Parts: sequence; structure tokens; C-alpha cells
Amino acid sequence: GENVEQHPSTLSVQEGDSAVIKCTYSDSASNYFPWYKQELGKRPQLIIDIRSNVGEKKDQRIAVTLNKTAKHFSLHITETQPEDSAVYFCAASRRRDTGRRALTFGSGTRLQVQP
Amino acid sequence: NAGVTQTPKFRILKIGQSMTLQCTQDMNHNYMYWYRQDPGMGLKLIYYSVGAGITDKGEVPNGYNVSRSTTEDFPLRLELAAPSQTSVYFCASEDSGRASYEQYFGPGTRLTVT
Repeated sequence: GENVEQHPSTLSVQEGDSAVIKCTYSDSASNYFPWYKQELGKRPQLIIDIRSNVGEKKDQRIAVTLNKTAKHFSLHITETQPEDSAVYFCAASRRRDTGRRALTFGSGTRLQVQP
Repeated sequence: NAGVTQTPKFRILKIGQSMTLQCTQDMNHNYMYWYRQDPGMGLKLIYYSVGAGITDKGEVPNGYNVSRSTTEDFPLRLELAAPSQTSVYFCASEDSGRASYEQYFGPGTRLTVT
């Protein structure tokens, strides 16, 4: 099955700096890569996603890049703010024969933005 | 739209007890999923359903059962609870007909088995 590895497990940055979180995946058939933000005690919230036919996607201060050949994708957050502090999860999936899209999650990165 | 709702929010079970975690969505989504999240870890898929009457196992199905009699509801049953089932359980749904693949998560149920 799919295996997703995520690094680093913790990341501390100063407010205004950039943060980068990296993930690698094992299944070359995976074609959908979402990123979720989870605040303490809350549900995961989708913040950005990318499909395998695109190399980069940007939404304001957040961007995701995908390298299909190397099977890795990264989350970039620029001009970090204290409210960006949370745990971030990457995931990978592909559509199975049954139609369902099984998400395999990384183990998470705890981002702390210091004011 | 309430989205995806889950009950209860918290529950403490004794070893060997049983319970049902409820999940309901009002978005008319075909696909529904159950995940568990152990402390400091990512989510793992327990069971999923692609429509009423159709369910299948995910990555970690042992000790659980599901049913899907309606589009809206997807309950997760724990039989003979064990300490290893202490976790936060998230239900999610997805609209199979949309171009977006986004899964919408419920608020979670925090379960402790002692």
C-alpha cells in the first residue's frame, strides 16, 4: 500500500519567516495530494491540494509543489503569522476500482510561529 | 448546512464494552469514511462506503464494524472495546460527483478505553 513520510516533525520559525514541510510518497499511481491544518482539539481542515498533472499551486501565502519523478511534494508558507501555528498533515491518494479515494496521511508537522 | 456531525464528543468505555459512534452528513455525499487518529500521529482509514448498502475495509478495520443503510448516516460499531482502541475518531464525507476531491471532516469523537 501507499506510504507517506513527512518531515520535519516539529518546526519553529519567527513571525514573518517562511516555513517548508516536505513529504515523500511510495505509490507512483497516487495522483492527489492534499494538505490539512489541524488546530489542537479540532478537525483537520483542507488548506490546499494539488493533482499530479500540476507542478505547483499557490493560494495567497500558501503554495504546494509536486515532483512526480522524485515522488515528493512540499508545503510552503510565507510571511508566517502566529495563527499559522498548528499541526500540518500531508496526504496522498489515488482513485481505487471501487471509486473511493483512500487518503494515506503523513505523521504530521507541528509548526510553532514565534511572535 | 450542518456538514458532518458526530456524536458523542467524548466517551469513556471499560474493556469489553461495546458502543456505536454516530456520523451524519447533510450534503448528500456518496462517499463516507471513518478514520482514527492516535496521539501525535496522522489519520488511518478504518472503513469506507461509496454509497448506501456498500461498505469495505480500510487500513485498520479489526475490532470495528460499519453499516450504511442511508446516504446520510454511517455509524461505526466497536465490539469488545480494547485499550488499543483509545483514539480520536473522525468521520468524513466526499461528493463523488464533483471535480474537487475534498473530504469534509466531522468534529471527532474522543474515545478512552480503560
